[in-house]
Amino acid sequence: DQQVKQNSPSLSVQEGRISILNCDYTNSMFDYFLWYKKYPAEGPTFLISISSIKDKNEDGRFTVFLNKSAKHLSLHIVPSQPGDSAVYFCAAGGNQFYFGTGTSLTVIP
Amino acid sequence: EAGVAQSPRYKIIEKRQSVAFWCNPISGHATLYWYQQILGQGPKLLIQFQNNGVVDDSQLPKDRFSAERLKGVDSTLKIQPAKLEDSAVYLCASSPPGGTEAFFGQGTRLTVV
Repeated sequence: DQQVKQNSPSLSVQEGRISILNCDYTNSMFDYFLWYKKYPAEGPTFLISISSIKDKNEDGRFTVFLNKSAKHLSLHIVPSQPGDSAVYFCAAGGNQFYFGTGTSLTVIP
Repeated sequence: EAGVAQSPRYKIIEKRQSVAFWCNPISGHATLYWYQQILGQGPKLLIQFQNNGVVDDSQLPKDRFSAERLKGVDSTLKIQPAKLEDSAVYLCASSPPGGTEAFFGQGTRLTVV
């Protein structure tokens, strides 16, 4: 049973525009959420996180929004750059983290 | 700062053979994780260590998988005997004390034929 879902397997965005990656979770007890970025043949790299006491966290071009009532989080990348092309995983949990299946982002120059 | 080191990077074995993976976490990181990532899926936690004690191994297929963490530092994950469905990337990750974010190694890609 998938506790974390990323319903869009892929996303294409023009360079300079906004990329929005979405993630839904089922367990209301989850209190910490993370986004990872993965390039081919490499392990996931931590990108940004948010705790359940916040609804927004920003780090440069990356912003994560959390809607606890909807059990939904999203990652906004603006402006998108070709180097952002990668697979993005969201993870949710607390003591243990559950990962989504990933969204492959392609930023077109 | 050196990252999480894993070896080997790639391994091809026949079904019913055994295989072992090695992980050296970031220095000072008390928590170590082994994840299995099957193609097209997200990483799935197999086992979590805190120092050299097991915190969670609820998703580890204990009839064929085993893991240990020597002296709270390096860790090995073993599969014996391997099945075709064990073909996956095995990722090791570690977290610092009090930290939540896991830092991943490059992974070992296992192919069982």
